[in-house]
Amino acid sequence: AQTVTQSQPEMSVQEAETVTLSCTYDTSESNYYLFWYKQPPSRQMILVIRQEAYKQQNATENRFSVNFQKAAKSFSLKISDSQLGDTAMYFCAFPRDQGAQKLVFGQGTRLTINP
Amino acid sequence: DAGITQSPRHKVTETGTPVTLRCHQTENHRYMYWYRQDPGHGLRLIHYSYGVKDTDKGEVSDGYSVSRSKTEDFLLTLESATSSQTSVYFCAIREGGVYEQYFGPGTRLTVT
Repeated sequence: AQTVTQSQPEMSVQEAETVTLSCTYDTSESNYYLFWYKQPPSRQMILVIRQEAYKQQNATENRFSVNFQKAAKSFSLKISDSQLGDTAMYFCAFPRDQGAQKLVFGQGTRLTINP
Repeated sequence: DAGITQSPRHKVTETGTPVTLRCHQTENHRYMYWYRQDPGHGLRLIHYSYGVKDTDKGEVSDGYSVSRSKTEDFLLTLESATSSQTSVYFCAIREGGVYEQYFGPGTRLTVT
């Protein structure tokens, strides 16, 4: 079965610090995409970043970057210079079916940025 | 803004009543999805659609049905609502050849 695990239910850091959220997954596929979504208190699900498994280069979007370790099936999200607006639930997601892209989500990490 | 709306945004209903949630998109995307979000579970796929009148089940489809008679609308129906279906329901869309899904604002459903 393809699963996604986020082992940190909650994290808290000070504003401007760097924080890393962990995600591991299990799959027998060789080529796939991985995603991080952010859910602020507004409840809206917002795509933060995606990683293509066949690319060795880690994806980066402004202050957000990933550390993708394909052999270890690890996909962590690093947030640099954290801001109060980064306070949210963060979900790692992986497609169970590469054709239909049926996403499987981790349980989420609640991140709080303190002033 | 991916042009996705969900209606209603909030609903309270009684056990045993039918409920239909609507997802509407303005982007003409081929793929549409329904997920539910519960504490401790992240989001879980209920059903998805890969075209008009083409649908398939997700991992938690029992008690739910869907219909897609037009590209822009994807309906989720609870034939006889139960308290276990109290949840937040999200619709998502995806264009073919693209892998990202974009989500609607969600519908909070409470079954009493």
